[in-house]
Amino acid sequence: DQQVKQNSPSLSVQEGRISILNCDYTNSMFDYFLWYKKYPAEGPTFLISISSIKDKNEDGRFTVFLNKSAKHLSLHIVPSQPGDSAVYFCAASARGNEKLTFGTGTRLTIIP
Amino acid sequence: EAGVTQFPSHSVIEKGQTVTLRCDPISGHDNLYWYRRVMGKEIKFLLHFVKESKQDESGMPNNRFLAERTGGTYSTLKVQPAELEDSGVYFCASSQVLTRDRRGYTFGSGTRLTVV
Repeated sequence: DQQVKQNSPSLSVQEGRISILNCDYTNSMFDYFLWYKKYPAEGPTFLISISSIKDKNEDGRFTVFLNKSAKHLSLHIVPSQPGDSAVYFCAASARGNEKLTFGTGTRLTIIP
Repeated sequence: EAGVTQFPSHSVIEKGQTVTLRCDPISGHDNLYWYRRVMGKEIKFLLHFVKESKQDESGMPNNRFLAERTGGTYSTLKVQPAELEDSGVYFCASSQVLTRDRRGYTFGSGTRLTVV
């Protein structure tokens, strides 16, 4: 039973355009959400997070939006750059539980 | 500061053999986590140590997996006997304090285990 879902295995975006990665979750106990970026042969690295008390968090070119009623979050990257090509994982945690529940990842390719 | 170190980076073993993966966390990090990604699937939590104690081992798949963290420093994850479905990438992460935003939560590069 997958509690965090990333339904798009891959996404290709032209350099300079906006990349939008989507994530859905089913567990109502999740109250903190994170995005990780992963390059080949490396571990995931933290990108941006959002608490369930907010609906938007922005950090430079990266913005995460949270729609709690739809149990949906998205990561916007604008403008997209070649170095953004990587696998992006959505993750969630519930208060009092330190484990992270990840999605299956979306491979983003930025086309020069 | 050295990051989280995992070795070996790759391991190929035959079904039925034993393999031990090692994780050296960042010095001073009391929290250590093991995760696993089976080919193309999600990264799944295995267990969480606080110092040498197992805080949460709810993700351990079965009793063929044994994790230890003697002395609260490095950790080992032993698979005995290995089965084909154990193939995947095993990640270790460590953190000093538990924060919700996980900024201090650092992953290692992983060990790719292939069971043939």
